[in-house]
Amino acid sequence: QKEVEQNSGPLSVPEGAIASLNCTYSDRGSQSFFWYRQYSGKSPELIMFIYSNGDKEDGRFTAQLNKASQYVSLLIRDSQPSDSATYLCAVNTGQAGTALIFGKGTTLSVSS
Amino acid sequence: EPEVTQTPSHQVTQMGQEVILRCVPISNHLYFYWYRQILGQKVEFLVSFYNNEISEKSEIFDDQFSVERPDGSNFTLKIRSTKLEDSAMYFCASSIQPGQGYNYEQYFGPGTRLTVT
Repeated sequence: QKEVEQNSGPLSVPEGAIASLNCTYSDRGSQSFFWYRQYSGKSPELIMFIYSNGDKEDGRFTAQLNKASQYVSLLIRDSQPSDSATYLCAVNTGQAGTALIFGKGTTLSVSS
Repeated sequence: EPEVTQTPSHQVTQMGQEVILRCVPISNHLYFYWYRQILGQKVEFLVSFYNNEISEKSEIFDDQFSVERPDGSNFTLKIRSTKLEDSAMYFCASSIQPGQGYNYEQYFGPGTRLTVT
């Protein structure tokens, strides 16, 4: 059974701080890693993807991948109240048309 | 910016009835997916579709479910005889434009909330 694990939170950070979200996965065959943001009652919105070990930065977001440790993380710098949402980690084997396996998500709360 | 659209936004149906959920994937995307999310639970994969065929399906996607691309733009999910436990948000997603690198990213539509009474 392929599993993606995340702390459910809530993770509470003050405005302007760095939020760190973590995810582990069970399938060593996983090759593609995604972070989605989901506001309550809305659909998942893709915010980051990473395919290679190391860091990938996009604006205030940095994704980090360590395939040896089967670990992927998301850092949000200068957190804003609008970042308050549930962050979903998703993985797949990196083959076209294959299923994304989602974690349950971490709820982030940014206080002003 | 291109986006996946879904209709209806909310569907209420009685147990045992058939429902069809509709999706228009992003133009030029080649792969289409259906996921569902039961309230308070994680997003679960149902099925993927490519070149008019199912490419992968989950254990959830049993004989009561079917998918179809009836024309060049729509992608549908049919539930033949709905059960109470089918109540969930159903998300359509699409991925891959030709000639665009890795392109495994899946983009989700706004969802259809299905309520079975």
